[in-house]
Amino acid sequence: AQSVTQLGSHVSVSEGALVLLRCNYSSSVPPYLFWYVQYPNQGLQLLLKYTSAATLVKGINGFEAEFKKSETSFHLTKPSAHMSDAAEYFCAVSEANFGNEKLTFGTGTRLTIIP
Amino acid sequence: EPEVTQTPSHQVTQMGQEVILRCVPISNHLYFYWYRQILGQKVEFLVSFYNNEISEKSEIFDDQFSVERPDGSNFTLKIRSTKLEDSAMYFCASTPMRGQSTDTQYFGPGTRLTVL
Repeated sequence: AQSVTQLGSHVSVSEGALVLLRCNYSSSVPPYLFWYVQYPNQGLQLLLKYTSAATLVKGINGFEAEFKKSETSFHLTKPSAHMSDAAEYFCAVSEANFGNEKLTFGTGTRLTIIP
Repeated sequence: EPEVTQTPSHQVTQMGQEVILRCVPISNHLYFYWYRQILGQKVEFLVSFYNNEISEKSEIFDDQFSVERPDGSNFTLKIRSTKLEDSAMYFCASTPMRGQSTDTQYFGPGTRLTVL
């Protein structure tokens, strides 16, 4: 069975500071990993995904994440936070390469940007 | 850019009533999903659908739930007799392929279901 743990339900950073959102996964097979962002009253938008190619994945809006198998982690980072980054971020895992493509989500991290 | 659409955006119903949530996936996509998010909780998988049949369903997806693709464009989720605990945001998603490295599930904006 697959699962995701997101440490920190709320994270606050100052505008211009580093953003670090943590995600650890559990999977019985090599996983696919995703970060989605949800802005208020909107659906889920894909930020980036890891599908067994390069371990450092770059996404939209300046975000990137690194897959670390030894740590079973897929933390999301952005060097410099912008006010528009305020949103809820969800890490998700699937076993799509083994035909099990359902996404299992973490509980989410609400990111607040302090002006 | 093509997108997944969902209607209505907000549905209010009385407990015990039937509701149908509608989704129009991206036109060339083949795999369809429903997820739900109870307020303050994580997004949970309900069901996946391919080739006019359910591929996988979760424990949440009991006999009160059903899905259908009635025509070439719509994908619906029906709840036969709603309960208070069905109140949630329901998301539809679609993807063009299965088990391929280019897969991405594209999500709609959601339907907020409120059961009174």
